[in-house]
Amino acid sequence: DAKTTQPPSMDCAEGRAANLPCNHSTISGNEYVYWYRQIHSQGPQYIIHGLKNNETNEMASLIITEDRKSSTLILPHATLRDTAVYYCIVRVGSGGSNYKLTFGKGTLLTVNP
Amino acid sequence: DAGITQSPRHKVTETGTPVTLRCHQTENHRYMYWYRQDPGHGLRLIHYSYGVKDTDKGEVSDGYSVSRSKTEDFLLTLESATSSQTSVYFCAIRSGTGATNEKLFFGSGTQLSVL
Repeated sequence: DAKTTQPPSMDCAEGRAANLPCNHSTISGNEYVYWYRQIHSQGPQYIIHGLKNNETNEMASLIITEDRKSSTLILPHATLRDTAVYYCIVRVGSGGSNYKLTFGKGTLLTVNP
Repeated sequence: DAGITQSPRHKVTETGTPVTLRCHQTENHRYMYWYRQDPGHGLRLIHYSYGVKDTDKGEVSDGYSVSRSKTEDFLLTLESATSSQTSVYFCAIRSGTGATNEKLFFGSGTQLSVL
């Protein structure tokens, strides 16, 4: 699986958009970009994933650059409850019996009032 | 929460005692996973299962065993607990089929302290 690089921490004002970057310059053509988050003392929560097109769901948007070497997770209107560690993970999709995700250290996003 | 229940939520035990953690799911998912989470190490995969009686090792499997005798339950056993196994343990299930749909859903975790 490709390695990812994320800033260790970021701050965002409540109500503003939070833009979390992820670098995955060694990504392969069949590897997906996944985003999860973990609110303190809870289990990780799936947010979104994509291959090459931009994706949007009720939680966030995922913007993947044309060369796929980086991506940005966008929380359009951050709230205090969005304070969490955000993990960017690159993984081959549909990996069969050995499908698993490797979590790095992620980005601690702090949303301030 | 994808119907995942971990038990117990908290456990304190002594070094050398056996410990079993249980992960129960209600949605008949084939794939289940056990992770541990420690400060400075993030989430690390211990073992996973791809069906009844089908399991495989993750990156930190030493000192752990697992069993899956029925689809809904995935058990993690520490045969002889050590202080280095003090951690938060998360169970996960894989939902969806095909690359466009697959994702993991996690349980609420078990806080294990080995004294």
